[in-house]
Amino acid sequence: KAGVTQTPRYLIKTRGQQVTLSCSPISGHRSVSWYQQTPGQGLQFLFEYFSETQRNKGNFPGRFSGRQFSNSRSEMNVSTLELGDSALYLCASRSDRDRANEQFFGPGTRLTVL
Amino acid sequence: GNSVTQMEGPVTLSEEAFLTINCTYTATGYPSLFWYVQYPGEGLQLLLKATKADDKGSNKGFEATYRKETTSFHLEKGSVQVSDSAVYFCALSHQAGTALIFGKGTTLSVSS
Repeated sequence: KAGVTQTPRYLIKTRGQQVTLSCSPISGHRSVSWYQQTPGQGLQFLFEYFSETQRNKGNFPGRFSGRQFSNSRSEMNVSTLELGDSALYLCASRSDRDRANEQFFGPGTRLTVL
Repeated sequence: GNSVTQMEGPVTLSEEAFLTINCTYTATGYPSLFWYVQYPGEGLQLLLKATKADDKGSNKGFEATYRKETTSFHLEKGSVQVSDSAVYFCALSHQAGTALIFGKGTTLSVSS
């Protein structure tokens, strides 16, 4: 079974631009979560989607948004980029049958904002 | 609120040394506990998990026991290898469908 895939792997943007990141979950997984990883703040939860609905949201500004499609693929959008948005963005998928909430992570998208 | 505290790194060991990385948590009830590992340039891989008190998770020679009385989930390995060099994250999840809460991560460097 293929793992979680994320595209692109690397992105360079400038301040004020917007960016869209994509995530394809493991086949059969309907839950997709996004996390931001930075050296200073560590791993922080952005949001979770399940069956095309946002089910849970972390403490990030409204510039960060996401969506999920009927095939469970998810996209994350960041508008009006700031230098502080430079980070590794990780996507994780989970089986809704797993009560332990074991999440499977993709390789991440490294975003650099100049 | 829920939180995870793990020992600060970096941890530097020689090959075949014993490894312990401490992890304690704050949470109500009985969360699920996880150890994830991140190799350079990669995402997170689940190393092991435990879902109830006194459970022992194990994988690839690593072990951790869910201790409710001390709210701990320390990671151990009897003999580390150079290939174990990575960043290790302790995490908890209070219930299915909620976010994983991570510790800050501990960098392990093993030399031959």
